[in-house]
Amino acid sequence: AQTVTQSQPEMSVQEAETVTLSCTYDTSESNYYLFWYKQPPSRQMILVIRQEAYKQQNATENRFSVNFQKAAKSFSLKISDSQLGDTAMYFCAFMNADKIIFGKGTRLHILP
Amino acid sequence: DGGITQSPKYLFRKEGQNVTLSCEQNLNHDAMYWYRQDPGQGLRLIYYSQIVNDFQKGDIAEGYSVSREKKESFPLTVTSAQKNPTAFYLCASRYNRGHQPQHFGDGTRLSIL
Repeated sequence: AQTVTQSQPEMSVQEAETVTLSCTYDTSESNYYLFWYKQPPSRQMILVIRQEAYKQQNATENRFSVNFQKAAKSFSLKISDSQLGDTAMYFCAFMNADKIIFGKGTRLHILP
Repeated sequence: DGGITQSPKYLFRKEGQNVTLSCEQNLNHDAMYWYRQDPGQGLRLIYYSQIVNDFQKGDIAEGYSVSREKKESFPLTVTSAQKNPTAFYLCASRYNRGHQPQHFGDGTRLSIL
C-alpha cells in the first residue's frame, strides 16, 4: 500500500526567508502524480503545485517549487520569499489511478 | 462560478442521532470523495464514488453511509454507530480522466452536544 510521510510536524521561519518542506512516499507504481495542498486557518484546501511522475523537470508556480527525486521517492516543497499569507498547514499527496493519499501535514508559521 | 458547496458549515448532533452532510458540485466532475480531518491525523478517506449509483468504502467507512443518485450530489450520513463523530469533514471532486487534482469544498464542522 502507498504511504506518504511528512517528517516535519511544525516549522517556523521569518518573513522573506526560504523554507523547504519535506515529503517522502512509498509506491511500487511508475505512473502517478504528486501534489502539495495548502490549508490556511480558514481550512479551505488549496492546490499549490502538482508534479507528474514521468516528468523529470521540477514543477514551479511563482514562489513555490518542488524538488522531485523519483528514485529516492522524495517530493519536497520550497517556498521562496515567504509571506505572512503562507502561514498554513501543508499537505503532500500521492495519487494513482483512483485514490489520493495524504500525508499528515506540516504546520508552517511565517513570523513577521 | 463553478465550485463545491458543503452545507451546513457547522452542525451539532445529539447522542443517538443520524445527521446528513450535504455536498454539491457544479464542476461536472465524475468522482466525489468524503474525508474526515482530525488534529494530527491529516485527511482520512471515508467513502468515494467514481460514477453515479456506485461508491466504495475508504479507510474509515464504519459508522458512515453515502449515496450517489445524481452526478452533482454526494451526501454523507453520520450514523449513531459512529462513536466519535466530532471532526471536520471535507468533500472533494475531480474529473476521472487522467490524473486531475481534487477540488475541495469549504468543509463542515460536526460537534456532539
